[in-house]
Amino acid sequence: SQKIEQNSEALNIQEGKTATLTCNYTNYSPAYLQWYRQDPGRGPVFLLLIRENEKEKRKERLKVTFDTTLKQSLFHITASQPADSATYLCALDIREQAGTALIFGKGTTLSVSS
Amino acid sequence: NAGVTQTPKFQVLKTGQSMTLQCAQDMNHNSMYWYRQDPGMGLRLIYYSASEGTTDKGEVPNGYNVSRLNKREFSLRLESAAPSQTSVYFCASRKGFRNTEAFFGQGTRLTVV
Repeated sequence: SQKIEQNSEALNIQEGKTATLTCNYTNYSPAYLQWYRQDPGRGPVFLLLIRENEKEKRKERLKVTFDTTLKQSLFHITASQPADSATYLCALDIREQAGTALIFGKGTTLSVSS
Repeated sequence: NAGVTQTPKFQVLKTGQSMTLQCAQDMNHNSMYWYRQDPGMGLRLIYYSASEGTTDKGEVPNGYNVSRLNKREFSLRLESAAPSQTSVYFCASRKGFRNTEAFFGQGTRLTVV
């Protein structure tokens, strides 16, 4: 069966450190992978999209890598702050007959302590 | 700047009752999605509509039906609610069907007793 796995449910780090979150997938060959942030009681918010031919993408303190051989994406937050505490979700476009479905991993909840 | 609007925000149903969750977007997006989110299960796709006039099942479609009323609106119907359908439901939309970001509504918290 098709599956997206985010390596841990929870990650606790200290302010100023780099947080690294992992997203692994099986049985897919996605052309794109996305990362979202979700705060409690709210809907997910888009952060970054990376294409299969892009090894790395950056946006301010965020960095995403995409290794299609390993079937893995890494999401890094450098110089982390307590305001970065949230759940982070990875998502893949899955090609179906009727169109393209966007499916998500279960997420990793990041807690940054000061 | 409405984006994606879901109604209602909260709902309590009795087992066996029916209801429709409404979703509307004002961004002229082609694709729309319904997800449910349960503790420890993440976001699971119920149904989606790649474009106006088409709908298809996602990962967990049983017990639900959908209607893509027009380009703006995509509704989710529970014909006979069950306690297992207690969840937070999110609607999302995006412009294309690939390589575009999804925009989410604020969610509907549904409790079936």
